[in-house]
Amino acid sequence: AQRVTQPEKLLSVFKGAPVELKCNYSYSGSPELFWYVQYSRQRLQLLLRHISRESIKGFTADLNKGETSFHLKKPFAQEEDSAMYYCALSKGGGADGLTFGKGTHLIIQP
Amino acid sequence: DAGITQSPRHKVTETGTPVTLRCHQTENHRYMYWYRQDPGHGLRLIHYSYGVKDTDKGEVSDGYSVSRSKTEDFLLTLESATSSQTSVYFCAISSGTGGTGELFFGEGSRLTVL
Repeated sequence: AQRVTQPEKLLSVFKGAPVELKCNYSYSGSPELFWYVQYSRQRLQLLLRHISRESIKGFTADLNKGETSFHLKKPFAQEEDSAMYYCALSKGGGADGLTFGKGTHLIIQP
Repeated sequence: DAGITQSPRHKVTETGTPVTLRCHQTENHRYMYWYRQDPGHGLRLIHYSYGVKDTDKGEVSDGYSVSRSKTEDFLLTLESATSSQTSVYFCAISSGTGGTGELFFGEGSRLTVL
């Protein structure tokens, strides 16, 4: 079965510092990977998906199949980046939902 | 935001009481999902639907049932609520093109079972 691991429950960094939220996955096939974000009192929303290779709000993520990782990075953190971040995996093919990691709570200190 | 609404948004109930949560979408998406969100567990899939009257179990389906009689509505029922079902429940929808793809989420329904 597929699995998504986010090793950090909580990550606190200062404004302007680089941010890296880790995500590792296990799946025998070819997955599609996503990052979702949940700001305080808001619904979850898509931040990134690996197939689009876009940079959203300064965040990037590269799928590393050798290390089975999809870490989320931003060179200079901003206070508005404080939120809950979830890494998620789709098995592709069938639309039987996403498997989510447990989430990382990112706090940006002023 | 995608046209997806959940009701009720907040509910407090007692153990043993039946509870139904409703998810309504205006996007005409084929796929609908119910997740629960718990601290330390992230989001876990309860049930999903791939069409009218077509549903399947997710990772944590025990104690839950679902129904989809119309494309736009997906109901989650707790036949006899337990304290372990205290959670925030999220509905999500997807067009399902090429796999699950992007999920669009509702605002969540906070359920407390006393």
